[in-house]
Amino acid sequence: DAKTTQPDSMESTEGETVHLPCSHATISGNEYIYWYRQVPLQGPEYVTHGLQQNTTNSMAFLAIASDRKSSTLILTHVSLRDAAVYHCILRVGGNNRIFFGDGTQLVVKP
Amino acid sequence: GPKVLQIPSHQIIDMGQMVTLNCDPVSNHLYFYWYKQILGQQMEFLVNFYNGKVMEKSKLFKDQFSVERPDGSYFTLKIQPTALEDSAVYFCASSLGLGGVSYEQYFGPGTRLTVL
Repeated sequence: DAKTTQPDSMESTEGETVHLPCSHATISGNEYIYWYRQVPLQGPEYVTHGLQQNTTNSMAFLAIASDRKSSTLILTHVSLRDAAVYHCILRVGGNNRIFFGDGTQLVVKP
Repeated sequence: GPKVLQIPSHQIIDMGQMVTLNCDPVSNHLYFYWYKQILGQQMEFLVNFYNGKVMEKSKLFKDQFSVERPDGSYFTLKIQPTALEDSAVYFCASSLGLGGVSYEQYFGPGTRLTVL
């Protein structure tokens, strides 16, 4: 699976919109972009995924660059519950293991 | 969302003993996984399992490890015998299908294993 690069940490304030970037310059055509988040003492939680088109669900908006070499997870109106480590992961079709990197620690201030 | 349960939440055992970690996956899921996370480190894939067979395993899945899901009951990870380096949090996950059609994995809360 191709490698992703994320900032170590980012800060936001409750109610704001936060943009979490992910770089994946060597992404292959059959790799999906997945986002999971994890808080201490809990298992990872699925956030969203996409292949080429931007996607949106109740948790987040995923913006994918037209060349697919980067993506941004956008969280609107963040709350303290959104504080977590956010992992940007690439997954090849048919290979379902997940490789977790260090992710981005999102700190949310009151 | 769908829930994966893990039993127990904590387990403390002496080195050399056997331990079985239990996972109750999402009811209609067909694929099952174990991951290992040592405190302060990245989570790492151990094994995935489908239709009664191991499909893929990592180098962390030592000969002392085994998995099974007898008769649709718990999906289990057994370690026999345990070693000090097996101390970690073990996460179970399940998914409806394989990647390609992008089936997300749902994770349990983990079992914290301490080997003394």
